Amino acid sequence: DAGITQSPRHKVTETGTPVTLRCHQTENHRYMYWYRQDPGHGLRLIHYSYGVKDTDKGEVSDGYSVSRSKTEDFLLTLESATSSQTSVYFCATFGTKGTDTQYFGPGTRLTVL
Amino acid sequence: GDSVTQMEGPVTLSEEAFLTINCTYTATGYPSLFWYVQYPGEGLQLLLKATKADDKGSNKGFEATYRKETTSFHLEKGSVQVSDSAVYFCALIPGTSYDKVIFGPGTSLSVIP
Repeated sequence: DAGITQSPRHKVTETGTPVTLRCHQTENHRYMYWYRQDPGHGLRLIHYSYGVKDTDKGEVSDGYSVSRSKTEDFLLTLESATSSQTSVYFCATFGTKGTDTQYFGPGTRLTVL
Repeated sequence: GDSVTQMEGPVTLSEEAFLTINCTYTATGYPSLFWYVQYPGEGLQLLLKATKADDKGSNKGFEATYRKETTSFHLEKGSVQVSDSAVYFCALIPGTSYDKVIFGPGTSLSVIP
């Protein structure tokens, strides 16, 4: 358990509105990730971060942006939410490069109407 | 590129039945292999892992052996319980890139009394 919390846990919003999801970890892990989970697609990587202010795109980054101003916080922003972004979003961490266990948060269920 | 293939299910078994979930992978270098489990309403958590060929990972009665010759990492349990009902994800960390995890699509398991 890497002490990962996500907020909010549930959110309903309307198409076109901005949404920010927050991930907070207490273990000082360097690497942080945002995934989305959809039926039939498993987990897909949106963005990840390998340190403060160092981020990179994953396989489904269009329509999403991230920021990491502190080690413990990793924010995912949907600039203008669309119905296709309805999903369950998971944050995850790695301790250090070369360690091999990824730790996951409890998830945020986002519904875009 | 690196990828993981696993049987998608859903798989339904009676309590005390034998479980096998097949997983095969494609990867460059020498990947580390994992099984993660996701219980309803929760994030993923590591079930077991193997970091080199012929290693056997085990936990909670589950086992998987890293078979390099067949590029496989099949998950087995001799006698499943209702509490094993969950989604199981096979995953790998490529030997050439330690900062990303490649997940399979997940296999849903339901165990009925």
